[in-house]
Parts: sequence; C-alpha cells; structure tokens
Amino acid sequence: EAQVTQNPRYLITVTGKKLTVTCSQNMNHEYMSWYRQDPGLGLRQIYYSMNVEVTDKGDVPEGYKVSRKEKRNFPLILESPSPNQTSLYFCASSSRTSGRPDTQYFGPGTRLTVL
Amino acid sequence: DQQVKQNSPSLSVQEGRISILNCDYTNSMFDYFLWYKKYPAEGPTFLISISSIKDKNEDGRFTVFLNKSAKHLSLHIVPSQPGDSAVYFCAASFGNEKLTFGTGTRLTIIP
Repeated sequence: EAQVTQNPRYLITVTGKKLTVTCSQNMNHEYMSWYRQDPGLGLRQIYYSMNVEVTDKGDVPEGYKVSRKEKRNFPLILESPSPNQTSLYFCASSSRTSGRPDTQYFGPGTRLTVL
Repeated sequence: DQQVKQNSPSLSVQEGRISILNCDYTNSMFDYFLWYKKYPAEGPTFLISISSIKDKNEDGRFTVFLNKSAKHLSLHIVPSQPGDSAVYFCAASFGNEKLTFGTGTRLTIIP
C-alpha cells in the first residue's frame, strides 16, 4: 500500500529538549515536504526536499532542521523546541515526473505539544 | 500575507443539497489549483484540481470552477452526503510542487 508514515503521532515535550519527527514514504518519490497546521493559518510549508541531499526552506523554517540522506526518509528536527512550535505537523511526498503538484500524498500527522 | 484565502471557516448544508466552498487568491502567477479534504486524525487527501487554462473541471459529484479575472475558485459538491463532512483546503501552485494553502473551511452535512 502506498503511504507516508510519521512517528510519533503524538508527542508532549518540554522547552529545549531536542526531538525528531520521522517521515518515511514507500512510493520512491523525489519530492518531500513538511508542513505545520495552525488554527486560522491553514498549512504552511516548513522545509522541502527535491531529492536526496537537496533541501530548502519553506515559508516558516525558523527553529527547524531537516535532512535527506535517503530517498524514502525526511526527518524533521527541533533542536530546541519552544511553545510556539506546538502544532500539528504533516509530512508529504510526491513524484516529480508528472510535473504537477496534485500527486502530493500526506502522512497522518504528528500532534506536538511543547510545554 | 495570506495569498490564498478561504473566508468562510465553516459551512452547514442539508444532505442532498449543493455545497459550495469558496477560495480567493492574490498571486496572479498561480497556474494550478487544488482542493484537499481532511478528516480528523488523518492527513489531507487530494480531491480535485484545475489548471489555469481551464475554467471548469468535473469529477463525479465534485466540480471546481475557476474565475481568473476575479482570482476566485469554488468547489461544488452535488448532492452533498454525510461522508462529505470534513475540512476542505484549497491550494495553489505555480508550475511546481510547492503548494500554498488556504485556511480551510469545515463543512458539515446535516442528515
């Protein structure tokens, strides 16, 4: 089954304690992306990756890091989480061969609370 | 600056009637528009899309209309069913994978 998986699904942590949210896709997609969803703001892109070892900032990258060492994995790293990073996070992936964005598949989401 | 706007946070529609969800955008460079549907505790799923060279696209009960001069698109669902109750996001892109999302509209279908 084609899917994007995220772990953990729920996380409560404290300010300053480093954490990583993993994302993995089994569709051999080149493009992967992280979004955060906040009330009244919709989904905003944090970082994206066009392929292995190629990453770039999205609209709200401050406080986040990413890496793309393998095609299937795109972890999101919060080196020193703060309460304003409390949010619902989605990972997404798509194939670039279609040349269109409507093949973007989303993971189930990770709800993060930073106290 | 919100480039894609959904001005109605919520909408309630009787089962069997038409649901109309609206979306406005400000960036005239956008050339591809999409609607995503999101159920609680799940990620968004792609619903329907339209290229800027068209003004209408249909897929079963779902039709998207694009009015480029007004920078406005709408999603029509006919007839509405209880399973359509979800949050709907419109999104836009210009020639690549980056999506700019609206704030979402929560649609509730009343049985």
